[in-house]
Amino acid sequence: KAGVTQTPRYLIKTRGQQVTLSCSPISGHRSVSWYQQTPGQGLQFLFEYFSETQRNKGNFPGRFSGRQFSNSRSEMNVSTLELGDSALYLCASGPQRTGANTEAFFGQGTRLTVV
Amino acid sequence: GENVEQHPSTLSVQEGDSAVIKCTYSDSASNYFPWYKQELGKGPQLIIDIRSNVGEKKDQRIAVTLNKTAKHFSLHITETQPEDSAVYFCAPNAGGSYIPTFGRGTSLIVHP
Repeated sequence: KAGVTQTPRYLIKTRGQQVTLSCSPISGHRSVSWYQQTPGQGLQFLFEYFSETQRNKGNFPGRFSGRQFSNSRSEMNVSTLELGDSALYLCASGPQRTGANTEAFFGQGTRLTVV
Repeated sequence: GENVEQHPSTLSVQEGDSAVIKCTYSDSASNYFPWYKQELGKGPQLIIDIRSNVGEKKDQRIAVTLNKTAKHFSLHITETQPEDSAVYFCAPNAGGSYIPTFGRGTSLIVHP
């Protein structure tokens, strides 16, 4: 079974721009969650999508948004980029929602650098 | 929300030694306790988990112990090897619509 695939692996953007990251979950998984990982804040939950609906949201500003398609693939968008948005963005998929006490399968992440 | 503390933040051991990482949580409703390992350039990967009806679980050189009364669980790695060098995260899970919360991570360095 193919793992979770995130594209692109690396991105460099300028302050004020917007960016879209993509995540293809493991086949059959309906839950996709997004996380931001930084040295200062660690791994922080952004949001979860399940069956094309956002089910849960972390404490991030509205500049961070996402969506999920009928094939469970998900995209995350960050508008009006700030320097502090530089981070590793990870997505994780699962057969059930994150609250179902099951393993989260992570992709390798997208390294976003804002200059 | 859940408060999760993980200690130590860095752990340096010699190959063959044992390593113990502790995770303390605040939500008494937590009932699933996984440990993830993140190697350089990769995403976290589950290495072991335990549920609240079990006190200890072993898988070869790794084990997890749970103390629900004291609200902490620990990762034990015996006979450490250089390939165990990575960052380890705990992520106690209360189920339902909780917000996934990870510990800040423990960087384990195993010296050959």
